Amino acid sequence: GAVVSQHPSWVICKSGTSVKIECRSLDFQATTMFWYRQFPKQSLMLMATSNEGSKATYEQGVEKDKFLINHASLTLSTLTVTSAHPEDSSFYICSARGLALFYEQYFGPGTRLTVT
Amino acid sequence: GENVEQHPSTLSVQEGDSAVIKCTYSDSASNYFPWYKQELGKRPQLIIDIRSNVGEKKDQRIAVTLNKTAKHFSLHITETQPEDSAVYFCAAANQAGTALIFGKGTTLSVSS
Repeated sequence: GAVVSQHPSWVICKSGTSVKIECRSLDFQATTMFWYRQFPKQSLMLMATSNEGSKATYEQGVEKDKFLINHASLTLSTLTVTSAHPEDSSFYICSARGLALFYEQYFGPGTRLTVT
Repeated sequence: GENVEQHPSTLSVQEGDSAVIKCTYSDSASNYFPWYKQELGKRPQLIIDIRSNVGEKKDQRIAVTLNKTAKHFSLHITETQPEDSAVYFCAAANQAGTALIFGKGTTLSVSS
């Protein structure tokens, strides 16, 4: 149980284009989803928290107009990187928490984004 | 906001030895402390967690201790094996539903 998937697993895009990453909870309803980014050999940095049906809460320093987060259903959240630049290249990981899971958060497999 | 410090950043041990990783946190309201293991290019995997009403928790070769007064918690791995080699992250959260705040990670290398 508590499986979270992400799609795509990796993507290469050109500078200036937009990329959408999907995060799905496969066997539970995720009332809250979190988006993290991770640079090589670094820790996971929280970008934003999204609750189903409401606007995401972004961490300080994260541009909400650049990283669009939508959590339209209890099983799907999307992160869109708009006008991507090479410095946006990173490993993006989502995690999900459901009512029944209370404290525990389960992570997706991550998406490797490379902007050329 | 919460801040989690983790030490050491790298740790090398011989197979069979014990490994200890320590974390401190700043928010006294934090009450959930998980530990994750992450292999290169993969998702973090929860290996053990502890809540503030418990001082110690053990699962086979892995144990976690929590000192709420001092605001620190530690991961103990006994009888280490080469497959324990990975990056380990501690994290803290102050209530269910809030995001985990991670330490910077410890790269554990177990040599045979």
